[in-house]
Amino acid sequence: DIVMTQSPDSLAVSLGERATINCKSSQSVLYSSNNKNYLAWYQQQPGQPPKLLIYWASTRESGVPDRFSGSGSGTDFTLTISSLQAEDVAVYYCQQYYNTPYTFGQGTKLEIQ
Amino acid sequence: QVQLHQWGAALLKPSETLSLTCAVYGGSFSGYYWSWIRQPPGKGLEWIGEINHYGSTNYNPSLKSRVTISIDRSNNQFSLNLKSVTAADTAVYYCARPLTVAGNDAFDIWGQGTLVPVSS
Repeated sequence: DIVMTQSPDSLAVSLGERATINCKSSQSVLYSSNNKNYLAWYQQQPGQPPKLLIYWASTRESGVPDRFSGSGSGTDFTLTISSLQAEDVAVYYCQQYYNTPYTFGQGTKLEIQ
Repeated sequence: QVQLHQWGAALLKPSETLSLTCAVYGGSFSGYYWSWIRQPPGKGLEWIGEINHYGSTNYNPSLKSRVTISIDRSNNQFSLNLKSVTAADTAVYYCARPLTVAGNDAFDIWGQGTLVPVSS
């Protein structure tokens, strides 16, 4: 199985400031034949299912604010929120869909400082 | 707008079988791999397995011996059975659909989730 490890486990950021969450996979999730990274980011708010934010490591899902961005390749990835808003308080997960079993990071809890 | 609606038995006792069903409304049923994912209270997400329109399945090896995912094409539904449950199977269970029919894709559509407690 591909192990996904996120850092930090929790993060407190002031409103309007940048938030950065990292995700590392135990093996590359870059598929050489199409040069795509099989990596997604989700936001989960209490009592809700996860919401897809980013796929292919850097493609923003329709309707997701442009303050959310994803970057990275191979085994190291980053989710950045450029200017934190109150509604961004949530737990964030990365996920690899390179192969089954699909696996998720342990989650990063983002709070307002 | 595709929606997933899921239902199933609530409180279970150890050794019983968990059964959940997910119905697909408002979109194509064929072509996709339909997944089940679970989340123990306060913990992270675990992919359980998937099934496609033809009934081809992939399971998480950690659960494979106890899991069966089946499909009902006539009603656009798919189901999860997990046998011999223990307290460790207490979780919110989600059904989910990937972005495209290509397989190996992120999940953009999720069911509302069903909390299944297991307790004696």
